[in-house]
Amino acid sequence: AQTVTQSQPEMSVQEAETVTLSCTYDTSESDYYLFWYKQPPSRQMILVIRQEAYKQQNATENRFSVNFQKAAKSFSLKISDSQLGDAAMYFCAYISGNTPLVFGKGTRLSVIA
Amino acid sequence: DTGVSQDPRHKITKRGQNVTFRCDPISEHNRLYWYRQTLGQGPEFLTYFQNEAQLEKSRLLSDRFSAERPKGSFSTLEIQRTEQGDSAMYLCASSADSSNSPLHFGNGTRLTVT
Repeated sequence: AQTVTQSQPEMSVQEAETVTLSCTYDTSESDYYLFWYKQPPSRQMILVIRQEAYKQQNATENRFSVNFQKAAKSFSLKISDSQLGDAAMYFCAYISGNTPLVFGKGTRLSVIA
Repeated sequence: DTGVSQDPRHKITKRGQNVTFRCDPISEHNRLYWYRQTLGQGPEFLTYFQNEAQLEKSRLLSDRFSAERPKGSFSTLEIQRTEQGDSAMYLCASSADSSNSPLHFGNGTRLTVT
């Protein structure tokens, strides 16, 4: 079964600095998709960024970028120029074929002013 | 596009009672998902629909749980004979008809069983 592991329960970053959140996953599939979701205190889950496994180029969305290492099954999220509004739970997630989206346990990010 | 809406936002019930939650997905989305999230954990998959067909159910979905999507639009999740362990946030999400389409989540229904 596919599993997603986030080894950092909590992280903190100074405002305007850069932080990297880690994620590893386990799969025997070659074609799959990876996502990072953000869940602010209001609780609605919001998509941050996604990566197709067949693409070697790392996805980027404004201040958010990923470091996708397919052989290592690693998918980390880098947040640059951190802002107070980035404070939230961040979930790494995996999907393949017709399997439902599988989430990690999350990393709580605090941003220090 | 008003997003995914869930009703109610909060539900407090006594153990043994039945509860029903509703989810209205984004109108053009064929897929609808139910997840359960407890405090400090990631969402856990419960079940999903493609149009009106329920395609997969998690082992977490005991026989006290039932979900329907009768006309391929809104969905309901019913929990019968609630237990304290059912207390959680129940999240609904919808997506377009493709495995790589991102899920769009609602605000969730927080269930407290006393």
